[in-house]
Amino acid sequence: GQQLNQSPQSMFIQEGEDVSMNCTSSSIFNTWLWYKQDPGEGPVLLIALYKAGELTSNGRLTAQFGITRKDSFLNISASIPSDVGIYFCAGQLSWYDNQGGKLIFGQGTELSVKP
Amino acid sequence: DAGVTQSPTHLIKTRGQQVTLRCSPKSGHDTVSWYQQALGQGPQFIFQYYEEEERQRGNFPDRFSGHQFPNYSSELNVNALLLGDSALYLCASSLGTGVYNEQFFGPGTRLTVL
Repeated sequence: GQQLNQSPQSMFIQEGEDVSMNCTSSSIFNTWLWYKQDPGEGPVLLIALYKAGELTSNGRLTAQFGITRKDSFLNISASIPSDVGIYFCAGQLSWYDNQGGKLIFGQGTELSVKP
Repeated sequence: DAGVTQSPTHLIKTRGQQVTLRCSPKSGHDTVSWYQQALGQGPQFIFQYYEEEERQRGNFPDRFSGHQFPNYSSELNVNALLLGDSALYLCASSLGTGVYNEQFFGPGTRLTVL
């Protein structure tokens, strides 16, 4: 089945630094999503990407949908303590592939920010 | 506006027992998906319910079953529990099943199987 490889597994950075994480797949996806999960909570959607090559920003977050449709990256600029958490990429196929609605998640990147 | 709610928050069961987890979708949502999240892993798709029918299923055995009620709430049932079923079970709701319909996640139910 489809699998997503997310890297790095964890990051320890200083407040104010920029962060980059990425996700690759052996399969093509029609949609790439980035989520953040805080302890005791479910994942919260940060950015959704629907088109190959698309570059989308949400405040200090920027994400891109790879041209090959098999990868995506997420950048966080000028990190702050509240950025701490686990970030997940997720891929989604369309109903044309009889897989609509099903999200395939990466293993997550745990981000720690030192004030 | 209440978000996705799940009950119970935590649950401890022993091997071989059966468990039922419950989910109330976000107001206005009609589609519910269930995910299993093992410790240190990303969520894995179990199945999705829409119009009271299972529309899609992930690679989970038949011990995992579900139901959706006319008010769109849903239950996840797991029979013959195994130690490996210990995980956080997440429910996500959306309005419709399309890729543009954002899935909102609940806080999850932490299941421990002893």
